[in-house]
Amino acid sequence: DADVTQTPRNRITKTGKRIMLECSQTKGHDRMYWYRQDPGLGLQLIYYSFDVKDINKGEISDGYSVSRQAQAKFSLSLESAIPNQTALYFCATSAGTGRYNEQFFGPGTRLTVL
Amino acid sequence: AQSVTQLGSHVSVSEGALVLLRCNYSSSVPPYLFWYVQYPNQGLQLLLKYTSAATLVKGINGFEAEFKKSETSFHLTKPSAHMSDAAEYFCAVSTSSGNTPLVFGKGTRLSVIA
Repeated sequence: DADVTQTPRNRITKTGKRIMLECSQTKGHDRMYWYRQDPGLGLQLIYYSFDVKDINKGEISDGYSVSRQAQAKFSLSLESAIPNQTALYFCATSAGTGRYNEQFFGPGTRLTVL
Repeated sequence: AQSVTQLGSHVSVSEGALVLLRCNYSSSVPPYLFWYVQYPNQGLQLLLKYTSAATLVKGINGFEAEFKKSETSFHLTKPSAHMSDAAEYFCAVSTSSGNTPLVFGKGTRLSVIA
């Protein structure tokens, strides 16, 4: 079984709809991240959380929100989706300080906003 | 703040030829450095990492990278390319404190020609 899972794997939605992408992990890691990948732009950090009570904005948080429901769950929401949020979204996890912050990635969610 | 520059968004090599993917970093504190690979329709997986031990780091699938502090570089090499190496490769940097998310380069797409 995968250590980091994302649901759904693919989603097509319309402009203005509210969308939630979910991430679960069985690695026991405290830290979780949401990234967005666009061709030629690499991975851009949306939000990250170092523990259940800690939420931090990344470089492109506008238009997104997150919820850390438990150590193992970190959800990303688009309150009102727009076409330029069409992208591949990745969740990642890492252990705490002293473990080099190596990140482990989920398989991704491909989101299309029409 | 840290940053990563990957020279060349697309590199094409012949099967059996040397693979060289370039990565330069910027960090005001000692860095941890990573190379990740993304195969089509998959998430990112770790190829190798530098964590201040040996400057020449060996990873999976015959890849290696050398940390050169004087050149602020961490280039990825493989002596002989295989068709299965065709993928997108990302260089990433974190600080040695481990308290910052990874910062990724924009990626280099490697094509291998038969």
